Parts: sequence; structure tokens; C-alpha cells
Amino acid sequence: AQSVTQLGSHVSVSEGALVLLRCNYSSSVPPYLFWYVQYPNQGLQLLLKYTSAATLVKGINGFEAEFKKSETSFHLTKPSAHMSDAAEYFCAVSSFSGGYQKVTFGTGTKLQVIP
Amino acid sequence: EAQVTQNPRYLITVTGKKLTVTCSQNMNHEYMSWYRQDPGLGLRQIYYSMNVEVTDKGDVPEGYKVSRKEKRNFPLILESPSPNQTSLYFCASSLMGDARGYEQYFGPGTRLTVT
Repeated sequence: AQSVTQLGSHVSVSEGALVLLRCNYSSSVPPYLFWYVQYPNQGLQLLLKYTSAATLVKGINGFEAEFKKSETSFHLTKPSAHMSDAAEYFCAVSSFSGGYQKVTFGTGTKLQVIP
Repeated sequence: EAQVTQNPRYLITVTGKKLTVTCSQNMNHEYMSWYRQDPGLGLRQIYYSMNVEVTDKGDVPEGYKVSRKEKRNFPLILESPSPNQTSLYFCASSLMGDARGYEQYFGPGTRLTVT
């Protein structure tokens, strides 16, 4: 079984401040981890993914995430928030075992950026 | 252009009237999936398919049916819709397999209202 927990359904930051969105996962097999972003009235698009190559992963729009196995975490960060970062962010875990692929999403975190 | 298309984008219907939401992808992906998105609950998987004629239940399959007769198409069928199926629905597709984590590509969403 696998699961994803995103702490904080709503996060507010000032423009220019650090963005930190938290994601913890559980998985019985080595996981692949993803962050997706959803802008208003749109589908989800990939921000970045972890596939065991490097623990610090860089994505689009200045976002990055660090995989910490000991903490079972994959937190998303951006040094300086921009107004255009206001969106909902989803963490997801994917595993492939016994010929089956399983994908599980977190409940999402809405990021508000205050001018 | 690589994409996942869904139709219709918006649908208002009445309880009990059968409906189908179509999903098509042009990337030759093996894996396709349907999700529903509800406030505070994130994305929950309804059904998924790992290839033609191979489908399985996700986390919330009750009241839904799917079929995968062609690799590119994965329609979602609600045979007798009820108001609790009012939601935003997303279709997604990806490559499948171990060794690499394959991200999902999402359609634009279908907003369904059942009265």
C-alpha cells in the first residue's frame, strides 16, 4: 500500500518569500515521486519528478524538491515566490510492482501569493 | 502536438440519465486513468487501464464503468448518474513500466453536474 500526505491545504506567502510545500509518502517499494501544478480552470502539469537518479530535483519555474528517504519526504521549495506561482500543487507517488502500476495523489496545497 | 483530449468539457445532466465522457491520447501510451477531483479530497483514481482490454478499479470505482477497446481511447461511462457524482473529472495517460518513473499527461478536465 502507498499513500501521500500533504501538510497544509492552504499556504500563503508574500511575493519574494520562500515557498515550502510539504509532502510525505509511504510506499512498500522504491517510489517514484512527482509534483504537479494546477492553475485555475486547467488540468495538471508536471513540475518535477524524482526517479532515483539524484535526490535534489530541479523543475520548471524555479522549483526544486529534495528526496529524503530517512524522512520519507519530498518537499517542494522555491527561493522567491512570484505572483504567477499562485496555484494548487499536488504531490504524487507512483510504484510499479508485480506488473502493476499504482499512482496515488495527495489532497493538494493551494498556494496564495500576497503582493 | 502531444495531448490528451476530453469531451465534453462541461456537462449538466439529470439523475439516472446515462452519459459517457470520452478521452483520447495521441502519444501511444499504455497506461490511462480516470480521476475525480473534489475540494479537500485531491485527485482520487476511479479506474485505470494498463493496455487494451486490461482495466482495473481504482480507489472510487462505484457507479462508473470504463472500457479500453483501442489503445488511444478510454471512455468513462456513468450508467445511472447520481448527484454525488457531481465533480471535476480528469483523464490522464502515461508510458508504463519499471526502471523509470513516467509522469502522467492530463486532459483539460470535464466538469459534471448531476441534478
